[in-house]
Amino acid sequence: KAGVTQTPRYLIKTRGQQVTLSCSPISGHRSVSWYQQTPGQGLQFLFEYFSETQRNKGNFPGRFSGRQFSNSRSEMNVSTLELGDSALYLCASSFSEDTQYFGPGTRLTVL
Amino acid sequence: GENVEQHPSTLSVQEGDSAVIKCTYSDSASNYFPWYKQELGKGPQLIIDIRSNVGEKKDQRIAVTLNKTAKHFSLHITETQPEDSAVYFCAASRGGGSGGGADGLTFGKGTHLIIQP
Repeated sequence: KAGVTQTPRYLIKTRGQQVTLSCSPISGHRSVSWYQQTPGQGLQFLFEYFSETQRNKGNFPGRFSGRQFSNSRSEMNVSTLELGDSALYLCASSFSEDTQYFGPGTRLTVL
Repeated sequence: GENVEQHPSTLSVQEGDSAVIKCTYSDSASNYFPWYKQELGKGPQLIIDIRSNVGEKKDQRIAVTLNKTAKHFSLHITETQPEDSAVYFCAASRGGGSGGGADGLTFGKGTHLIIQP
């Protein structure tokens, strides 16, 4: 079974721009969660989608948003990028319980 | 909210020796505790997890113990090998109690495990 895939793997943007990241979960998984990983703050939960609905949300500003499609694929969007948004953005998928499987991440650099 | 503390931040052991990483959590409602291994340039890989109705779980050279009363859980790796070198993260969550999806994981800061040949 194919794992979680994320595109693109690397991205360079400038301050003020917006960015959209994509995640395809493991086939059959309906829950997709997003995390931000930085050297200073570590791994932090952004939000989780289940059956196209946002069920849980972490403590991030409204510039961070997401959505999930009927095929369970998910996108996250960051508007008005700041230097501090430079991070590895990780997507994780889950079937129906707790176990989350992570993708390789998208490395975002904001200049 | 939940707070997870992880120690040590760096652990260096001789190949063949055992390694132990410890975590504490603050939210007594947390009931799911996974451990992830992250290698350079890759996403975290689930290596073992434990739920609050179990005190210990083992998978070959890896074991996890949970003490709900003290709110701490530990990862034990025996007979360490060079390929065990990586960053290890513990995490906690309240679990998907609603019957669907997953709750957000709260992670520890990570332990850089170095296996010395």
